[in-house]
Amino acid sequence: GAVVSQHPSWVICKSGTSVKIECRSLDFQATTMFWYRQFPKQSLMLMATSNEGSKATYEQGVEKDKFLINHASLTLSTLTVTSAHPEDSSFYICSASPANYNEQFFGPGTRLTVL
Amino acid sequence: DAKTTQPPSMDCAEGRAANLPCNHSTISGNEYVYWYRQIHSQGPQYIIHGLKNNETNEMASLIITEDRKSSTLILPHATLRDTAVYYCIVRLRSGNTGKLIFGQGTTLQVKP
Repeated sequence: GAVVSQHPSWVICKSGTSVKIECRSLDFQATTMFWYRQFPKQSLMLMATSNEGSKATYEQGVEKDKFLINHASLTLSTLTVTSAHPEDSSFYICSASPANYNEQFFGPGTRLTVL
Repeated sequence: DAKTTQPPSMDCAEGRAANLPCNHSTISGNEYVYWYRQIHSQGPQYIIHGLKNNETNEMASLIITEDRKSSTLILPHATLRDTAVYYCIVRLRSGNTGKLIFGQGTTLQVKP
């Protein structure tokens, strides 16, 4: 199967700082990647679709200036949480899929804690 | 994409079959049924998907009713490691760029 990794697996930061989370497809190229957020005891919420070489598409209600997405290569998408606040503390998960696949492969997630 | 309805929680004895139901009464003819699961604090894992025929793989079986308004995921011999939240998702089979919209899922607790 296809492997998706995320880095870091967890991060703690101070309020007001920015945090970058990486999502990599290890053994395939991905023109599209997806970013999700999950609060405790809740389901995954799709935040945005990351498109290689073009702007990301954000879901309704997600602030694009706060959650910056860069998909600069076919194997890497980054999510930057700018000016993080405690309410941004969450589990962030990315997914991607190789061409000719119909299922998504998910990364292990990044747990962000903002103090 | 059509909406799905799942029971919030279920229990299953270890070694027995776990049958997880999903209602998708508004499914359209070109929409597929996908199942994923999420073990605590991990990313979701793909299990199986189907259109109208029953499907089986090394993980599970998927039974879709003839009218396609509901389906059942079957884990034939549940183990403690199958304890997870199981998500039933209906979506167009739009290749590798189709997004997934997760509902609340069913929390399956496998008990010894």
